[in-house]
Amino acid sequence: GAVVSQHPSRVICKSGTSVKIECRSLDFQATTMFWYRQFPKQSLMLMATSNEGSKATYEQGVEKDKFLINHASLTLSTLTVTSAHPEDSSFYICSAREGTVQETQYFGPGTRLLVL
Amino acid sequence: AQSVTQLDSHVSVSEGTPVLLRCNYSSSYSPSLFWYVQHPNKGLQLLLKYTSAATLVKGINGFEAEFKKSETSFHLTKPSAHMSDAAEYFCVVSDRGNYQLIWGAGTKLIIKP
Repeated sequence: GAVVSQHPSRVICKSGTSVKIECRSLDFQATTMFWYRQFPKQSLMLMATSNEGSKATYEQGVEKDKFLINHASLTLSTLTVTSAHPEDSSFYICSAREGTVQETQYFGPGTRLLVL
Repeated sequence: AQSVTQLDSHVSVSEGTPVLLRCNYSSSYSPSLFWYVQHPNKGLQLLLKYTSAATLVKGINGFEAEFKKSETSFHLTKPSAHMSDAAEYFCVVSDRGNYQLIWGAGTKLIIKP
């Protein structure tokens, strides 16, 4: 089946630094990738949708200058949390969809970010 | 607008007994519906999906769900719970317009030995 990887799985950083999270589709080409945030004991919150080669579409309330998304190739999307603060600590999950008609999204294992 | 309601935040069953996780949805048109499972420290895994074919959908690990349009429900069931089923389960509806996923709040399934 389709596999999506994320790196790193965990990261701890100091407040004010930037953190980059990678999301890769390993055995298929992902025309669309999604970034989610999950707070403890809560459901997933969609942050943004990115299509390869174009700018990401951010959900209402998500700061695009804070959460930079790049989808430069059909197998890689990155999320950069800029000038991270403790309130950015969360579980970040990416997913990927093959093609534009497919509904099924394949999820990465997630990245746990802790900002001190 | 589409929405999903998972009626129970926690469900606790004994090993070997049936599992029922309830989900109701709201949709303007024929929805696509999914159940995902999230084990601790693991990624989300698709259990099953309904996309307007057979109303009874069989998934992995012995789970199945029935789409009932009249009740706007898509409950997840399993005849006999196993300890390895302990996890968080999410009911999800797909927005047919842009294929975005709309997530339920999740139900934590607890299996008692």
